[in-house]
Amino acid sequence: GQQVMQIPQYQHVQEGEDFTTYCNSSTTLSNIQWYKQRPGGHPVFLIQLVKSGEVKKQKRLTFQFGEAKKNSSLHITATQTTDVGTYFCAPANAGGTSYGKLTFGQGTILTVHP
Amino acid sequence: DTEVTQTPKHLVMGMTNKKSLKCEQHMGHRAMYWYKQKAKKPPELMFVYSYEKLSINESVPSRFSPECPNSSLLNLHLHALQPEDSALYLCASSRLIAGAGTDTQYFGPGTRLTVL
Repeated sequence: GQQVMQIPQYQHVQEGEDFTTYCNSSTTLSNIQWYKQRPGGHPVFLIQLVKSGEVKKQKRLTFQFGEAKKNSSLHITATQTTDVGTYFCAPANAGGTSYGKLTFGQGTILTVHP
Repeated sequence: DTEVTQTPKHLVMGMTNKKSLKCEQHMGHRAMYWYKQKAKKPPELMFVYSYEKLSINESVPSRFSPECPNSSLLNLHLHALQPEDSALYLCASSRLIAGAGTDTQYFGPGTRLTVL
């Protein structure tokens, strides 16, 4: 599967601070998905990015796909305690299948201190 | 209905036991998946079923045996497991759409398996 490096592995922030996690690949990605998994929960789909340079926003979350389609980021503005969890990127490579075989990044575990 | 259900929620079994995990979805999805997830690690793909046929087996040991009786159900039969197989087992489903992009996967809550 497609290999990516996701950093940082852990992030501790005070409530109200911003947070960013990065997903980097050495090869071109056809698209990338982001999932969130709350503690004790299961992965929940957040967004899919397909186009080069794409930027999508969901309230306080901003997702970016690099111009070269080799990296992606998720930025959360003014974190809240409800943002706690692990954020995974899940890319597909340029030759990926249409039935969505996902290879998850290692994830970033976000802790928010009130 | 956008829910994937899994039973049981928790399972404790001995190494000589035979048990089954069940997964169900009623979203009309034609792809279903089994993942294994260890603590603080990402989900690892085990099997993919497309149109009720096994399309991907990620070199999973034969003590794990998947079954897809129909388009809504997915089972994972367990036999002679090892303690290191203890993990959260997640089921997921997706629409299986052709063309650009990748299917969004909807995950169930998982079965937390402990092998003694």
